[in-house]
Amino acid sequence: SQTIHQWPATLVQPVGSPLSLECTVEGTSNPNLYWYRQAAGRGLQLLFYSVGIGQISSEVPQNLSASRPQDRQFILSSKKLLLSDSGFYLCAWGNNRATEAFFGQGTRLTVV
Amino acid sequence: AQSVTQLGSHVSVSEGALVLLRCNYSSSVPPYLFWYVQYPNQGLQLLLKYTTGATLVKGINGFEAEFKKSETSFHLTKPSAHMSDAAEYFCAVSGYGGSQGNLIFGKGTKLSVKP
Repeated sequence: SQTIHQWPATLVQPVGSPLSLECTVEGTSNPNLYWYRQAAGRGLQLLFYSVGIGQISSEVPQNLSASRPQDRQFILSSKKLLLSDSGFYLCAWGNNRATEAFFGQGTRLTVV
Repeated sequence: AQSVTQLGSHVSVSEGALVLLRCNYSSSVPPYLFWYVQYPNQGLQLLLKYTTGATLVKGINGFEAEFKKSETSFHLTKPSAHMSDAAEYFCAVSGYGGSQGNLIFGKGTKLSVKP
């Protein structure tokens, strides 16, 4: 069966520090991969999606970037965090028919 | 392009009462529709989905939803609320293929269940 791993679960980082969040999927090949951010009262905002290795699409301009170095690995990064980057970050995978998406347990990022 | 509107950011019901969470969507292609549930500090769990076929779909934990194309709605219901149903619920829409294959979420509805 398919599983998705996301870490760390919580993270407290100072303003201006770098960020790296990792997500890996097991039990499937060539998945679509997604990074969402959840801020209080704003629902889930799609940040990045990827349909294959090295293929990244950004949905909103921001201080973050994403990379997909391997088929089942998706990384969210920042060179310098801002206070506004605080939030709950969720990784998800889906098939290319978009019949559903499966989510990781999320990372609570607090920038101080 | 797709969008989702969830009416009511907070809904409160008594235990045993009907649960009704509203969702309206906009889509330029035939939509796929989803309801997810999120418990505090956890990821999202799929409750149910509509892709094609029967418009009344049943999900886990006694929830169901009906796709009404004429009303562009996909409301979530449960006949009798349980304390364990207290959580945040998200409606989502996607369309087949390309960037329309991405799930677009509503802002969520927080459900409280009173004893």
